[in-house]
Amino acid sequence: DAKTTQPNSMESNEEEPVHLPCNHSTISGTDYIHWYRQLPSQGPEYVIHGLTSNVNNRMASLAIAEDRKSSTLILHRATLRDAAVYYCILRDGLRATSGTYKYIFGTGTRLKVLA
Amino acid sequence: KAGVTQTPRYLIKTRGQQVTLSCSPISGHRSVSWYQQTPGQGLQFLFEYFSETQRNKGNFPGRFSGRQFSNSRSEMNVSTLELGDSALYLCASSRAGGDGTEAFFGQGTRLTVV
Repeated sequence: DAKTTQPNSMESNEEEPVHLPCNHSTISGTDYIHWYRQLPSQGPEYVIHGLTSNVNNRMASLAIAEDRKSSTLILHRATLRDAAVYYCILRDGLRATSGTYKYIFGTGTRLKVLA
Repeated sequence: KAGVTQTPRYLIKTRGQQVTLSCSPISGHRSVSWYQQTPGQGLQFLFEYFSETQRNKGNFPGRFSGRQFSNSRSEMNVSTLELGDSALYLCASSRAGGDGTEAFFGQGTRLTVV
């Protein structure tokens, strides 16, 4: 299973953009890049995912490097509600076709948002 | 639509006892996976079920087991509880698909072993 590396913690001021980096140098061609976040006392919550192209949704944007060995989750305007642990995870798309579904979580990045 | 439901939310058990946790996935989701979360080890994969078959298993002792029913509901069982089994147990459900479809997590069952 391919691994990801993230900084342990980051800080941001409220209303400012946040760029959360993730390295995944051993990514394979069929691995999707998923981002989840976990707020205190809750289960992880899906944020965004992508394969090769940059992706946008109402929560965030995902910028994927051309060689796919790194990606960046972008929160355009951080709010206090965005304070959470953010996990970058690789999911094997081939295995997903057969119904096999398994996430290997790293330690994630704890985002602190300052008012 | 209803999310992933885990019951009970909190549980206190004594060492040596066994426990069964329940997970009801989102309607239409056939894949259910289980995770253990502790402060020391973080989120660790336990096992995954799809159409009543265990597809993947994490690196946990045989005291941890699970099953999935025909309606996709899943249970996990831990026998001969140890203090180190105290953790938040999370269940996630998803549709199976090659597009990297996301998983939806429940709020978890907080198990305390005393």
